[in-house]
Amino acid sequence: TQLLEQSPQFLSIQEGENLTVYCNSSSVFSSLQWYRQEPGEGPVLLVTVVTGGEVKKLKRLTFQFGDARKDSSLHITAAQPGDTGLYLCAGARAYTGTASKLTFGTGTRLQVTL
Amino acid sequence: NAGVTQTPKFQVLKTGQSMTLQCAQDMNHNSMYWYRQDPGMGLRLIYYSASEGTTDKGEVPNGYNVSRLNKREFSLRLESAAPSQTSVYFCATGGGLRLATNEKLFFGSGTQLSVL
Repeated sequence: TQLLEQSPQFLSIQEGENLTVYCNSSSVFSSLQWYRQEPGEGPVLLVTVVTGGEVKKLKRLTFQFGDARKDSSLHITAAQPGDTGLYLCAGARAYTGTASKLTFGTGTRLQVTL
Repeated sequence: NAGVTQTPKFQVLKTGQSMTLQCAQDMNHNSMYWYRQDPGMGLRLIYYSASEGTTDKGEVPNGYNVSRLNKREFSLRLESAAPSQTSVYFCATGGGLRLATNEKLFFGSGTQLSVL
């Protein structure tokens, strides 16, 4: 069962445009992470949001965690070709063990052209 | 500083063959993970190891076995490969926080496996 749905699945835009990627669930997560993955490589962590309503900025990328901690969004301002890649959200449940069992979203493939 | 190293990068198997995917890390992390990635399905957890000497099933463990050889190495074995196991496999390590909800994962570059 896929608990995290991302939309859109694919996005092709021109350099300079803005875009938003959504990550939605019916479940509550204690934290949510965003990763970017380039072809032939593993995902690389961009950010972790923990508090409901939290907003974090990473240069032109803005991440928001929903108030109810069931959803998140990633907004990119003035996209550049270097932003091209697969964006994955991943939710963590409240867990007191010593290993995380992240649930990954379905992914959004972004292509930014000149 | 290699981080997380996976071997091999590519592999083609015939149905019924066996193989082991290797993963080694030099980050001194306690937890290690094996994921598979299929189009439109994100990453799904196969097995994980919270620390040396322990392993646990993830979301899709059937058809796989794992071995945490020591703190550095975590291998994934397919005893009798099936076409449904065609996928890209990723090994990851975790930052080893005691409360793991905010653990950062560091991924290897993946193994592309095709089972004919």
